[in-house]
Amino acid sequence: EVQLVESGGGLVQPGGSLRLSCAASGFTFSSYWMHWVRQGPGKGLVWVSRINTDGSSTSYADSVKGRFTISRDNAKNTLYLQMNSLRAEDTAVYYCAREGDRGYIWGQGTLVTVSS
Amino acid sequence: DIVMTQSPDSLAVSLGERATINCKSSQSVLYSSNNKNYLTWYQQKPGQPPKLLIYWASTRESGVPDRFSGSGSGTDFTLTISSLQAEDVAVYYCQQYLRTPRTFGQGTKLEIK
Repeated sequence: EVQLVESGGGLVQPGGSLRLSCAASGFTFSSYWMHWVRQGPGKGLVWVSRINTDGSSTSYADSVKGRFTISRDNAKNTLYLQMNSLRAEDTAVYYCAREGDRGYIWGQGTLVTVSS
Repeated sequence: DIVMTQSPDSLAVSLGERATINCKSSQSVLYSSNNKNYLTWYQQKPGQPPKLLIYWASTRESGVPDRFSGSGSGTDFTLTISSLQAEDVAVYYCQQYLRTPRTFGQGTKLEIK
């Protein structure tokens, strides 16, 4: 069974940093592009970032470019999102997702709250 | 960026009746090499992650009830629930996964009338 388990969320002050992790199991992690998607309180789904299979290519939403860094460790079957210079508008549930031909398989999400 | 626009924003349908949600993309999401539309539909219930319902615009994911169907090609797509059940109350999103950035529709909230 495919499983994606996010961790690392929490309360952080504006300007602070957090690193999210997503532990993958039940599939060959190194064969799939991986994504981060976020959802603000009461809001819709917003794509944040993606990384290719070996980590050599990444893309970011304009809203996080230069502040967030996506990475992966295929030996540990883990996806990461390093978030720096956090703002109140980054408050959201962050989902990791596996992308295949059939679209996304989603994790349960981890809540990030940016507040003083 | 490909902009995805859903209509309506909210919808109230009686139990057993048909529900129809539309999704329009600003550019075609048809991949000419394999003639597949890279368009998915997700269902999200409160406090849960989205769940994949339909991929390639019209292929139902394994385990999804056959009252859910998807149609359309190019830039215009539809999700239809043929006979609404109480457990279908949720927010529904379309997404294109042909181009980066991947983009979602704004969501359609489906309720019971």
